[in-house]
Amino acid sequence: EVQLVESGGGLVQPGGSLRLSCAASGFTFSSYWMHWVRQAPGKGLVWVSRINSDGSSTSYADSVKGRFTISRDNAKNTLYLQMNSLRAEDTAVYYCARVGAVAGSPFDYWGQGTLVTVSS
Amino acid sequence: SYVLTQPPSVSVAPGQTARITCGGNNIGSKSVHWYQQKPGQAPVLVVYDDSDRPSGIPERFSGSNSGNTATLTISRVEAGDEADYYCQVWDSSSDHPGVFGGGTKLTVL
Repeated sequence: EVQLVESGGGLVQPGGSLRLSCAASGFTFSSYWMHWVRQAPGKGLVWVSRINSDGSSTSYADSVKGRFTISRDNAKNTLYLQMNSLRAEDTAVYYCARVGAVAGSPFDYWGQGTLVTVSS
Repeated sequence: SYVLTQPPSVSVAPGQTARITCGGNNIGSKSVHWYQQKPGQAPVLVVYDDSDRPSGIPERFSGSNSGNTATLTISRVEAGDEADYYCQVWDSSSDHPGVFGGGTKLTVL
């Protein structure tokens, strides 16, 4: 059974940092591109970042570029999101999500999400 | 960047058909995926590649895509279908490939 379990969320002050983790199981993690998607309270889904299967290529939404870093450890089957210089508008539930093996595939599995609250 | 437009809300009586649209420039040339999200839960894929259903998704869920509009159709709507629905595409021409619509709240009257 495919499972994605996020952790690392919490309350952080503006300007602070946080690292999210997403532990994957039930599939060959190193074969799949992975993404982070966030959802501010009461708002819609917003794509944040993606990383290819071996970690050599990444992409970010403009709103987080230069502040967030996506990475992965295929030996540990874990995806990360390092978030620096956090702002109030980064407050959201952060989901990790897998995309299928074929280009253009949808997000076929999602984690349960971890809440990040940026507030003083 | 590519923009997807959804109506904020759609209401339908039980047993009727709900249609949720997703507008985008020449969206018919892209593959559209649809997700259902219930309160407090992660999104669930209900239709992919315009009109295919993942295993376990009822046949009542179907999709189409042509021109500038993609449509998610839910037939014989049930109370349990009440949720937010999001369309999504990949914008291969952009450095920000993941694009979601703003979401549509489906209310079952």
